[in-house]
Amino acid sequence: QVQLQQSGPGLVKPSETLSLTCSVSGGSITGRTFYWDWIRQSPGKGLEWIGSISYTGTTYDTPSLRGRVTISVDSSKNQFSLKVTSVTAADTAVYYCARRTEIVVVVDATQGTYNWFDSWGQGTLVTVSS
Amino acid sequence: DIQMTQSPSSLAASVGDRVTITCRASQSISRSLNWVQQKPGKVPKVLIHAASLLQSGVPSRFSGSGSGTDFTLTITSLQPEDFATYYCQQSYSTPLTFGGGTKVEI
Repeated sequence: QVQLQQSGPGLVKPSETLSLTCSVSGGSITGRTFYWDWIRQSPGKGLEWIGSISYTGTTYDTPSLRGRVTISVDSSKNQFSLKVTSVTAADTAVYYCARRTEIVVVVDATQGTYNWFDSWGQGTLVTVSS
Repeated sequence: DIQMTQSPSSLAASVGDRVTITCRASQSISRSLNWVQQKPGKVPKVLIHAASLLQSGVPSRFSGSGSGTDFTLTITSLQPEDFATYYCQQSYSTPLTFGGGTKVEI
């Protein structure tokens, strides 16, 4: 059973860089069927996907944060990280890391490739404040 | 970006009720639709993936249906532990997007 453990500061000053790490245990971060994602949730709001990195190192991110987000993997430590630069109060949120599994599934006799978040970190509340 | 619209945004129900939540995508997403449950202060967890496949360990009173742009999550015989917020999420293309959520209250 894979487990994701998040670490990083809960308080970041405006204009500085938010940095979080997600350590993966119980499975390899280099698995070919996995993506490693970051999702956030502003207080009292819904879920917002930030971005992900694949086993090949390819990264994907959301347009609203493009240019401010870096997602990286350290396979030697079996962990991946998120950096968000130039933070403002609008970046205050609970940040989650998650594993997204992508596999071929047969549904109603039709084969297709589907992916979903099957494991989540515990969440880290990051507050942007001076 | 693919926009996901859920309805209703909240509903009140009683234990034993049948509950239906709908989700509409702004373009066809085939069956690339997941349903996620989040209880207050807790980590989200997936209930259904690929529109209708029950995640391992999830009770059979949860079911999903739909394809293309219109999807439904049904909870037959609502249980006390089912009071939570439910999100649909499209996995068809990046950026991945979530619906606004449906809060199921007593």
